[in-house]
Amino acid sequence: DIVMTQSPDSLAVSLGERATINCKSSQSLLYSVNNKNYLGWYQQKPGQPPRLLIYWASTRESGVPDRFSGSGSGTDFTLTISSLQAEDVAVYYCHQYHTTPWTFGQGTKVEIK
Amino acid sequence: EVQLVESGGGLVQPGGSLRLSCAASGFTFSSYAMNWVRQAPGKGLEWVSGISGSGGNTYYADSLKGRFTISRDNSKNTLYLQMNSLRAEDTAVYYCAKGASIAADDAFDLWGQGTMVTVSS
Repeated sequence: DIVMTQSPDSLAVSLGERATINCKSSQSLLYSVNNKNYLGWYQQKPGQPPRLLIYWASTRESGVPDRFSGSGSGTDFTLTISSLQAEDVAVYYCHQYHTTPWTFGQGTKVEIK
Repeated sequence: EVQLVESGGGLVQPGGSLRLSCAASGFTFSSYAMNWVRQAPGKGLEWVSGISGSGGNTYYADSLKGRFTISRDNSKNTLYLQMNSLRAEDTAVYYCAKGASIAADDAFDLWGQGTMVTVSS
């Protein structure tokens, strides 16, 4: 199985500051045929289901604020919140859909400092 | 409105069975792969099972070892998860999640609110 490892497990960032979450996969998520990275990012607020933020590692889902961005390729990926807002407090998960079984990272909790 | 609504959760004894349902609306159900994802209390997300749009291809987490069966009825716009030989470690909120395309290998762009399954004597 592909193991997804996120870092850090939690972080506290001041309002308006940048938050960066890393995700490392145990195998490459890049499919050479279409040059796509099979990696998504989700946000989960307390008591709510997850919400897709980013797919194909860097494509923002419709309706997602542009302060959220994804980058990376192969085995190393990053989710960046450029200017943290109060409503961004949540747990964030990366997810690989390159090879079954699909797997998620353990989650990163983002709080306000 | 585009939505997924799960049902069928509840309290079941170890060794028992339960069938979860997920009613889809607002999109062409048969055109998308579907999945079940669970979340144990206070824990992270765990993918359970997936199925192609036609229902012809199914996928499972290795840990389930044949205890769970995913299926879909495209005429009823409904996804199912039959869970047998339930164990305490199956206790979780079970989410239904829509794939972003008909292909199984895609992100999950719509999630239901989840249904709680508690396995306890």
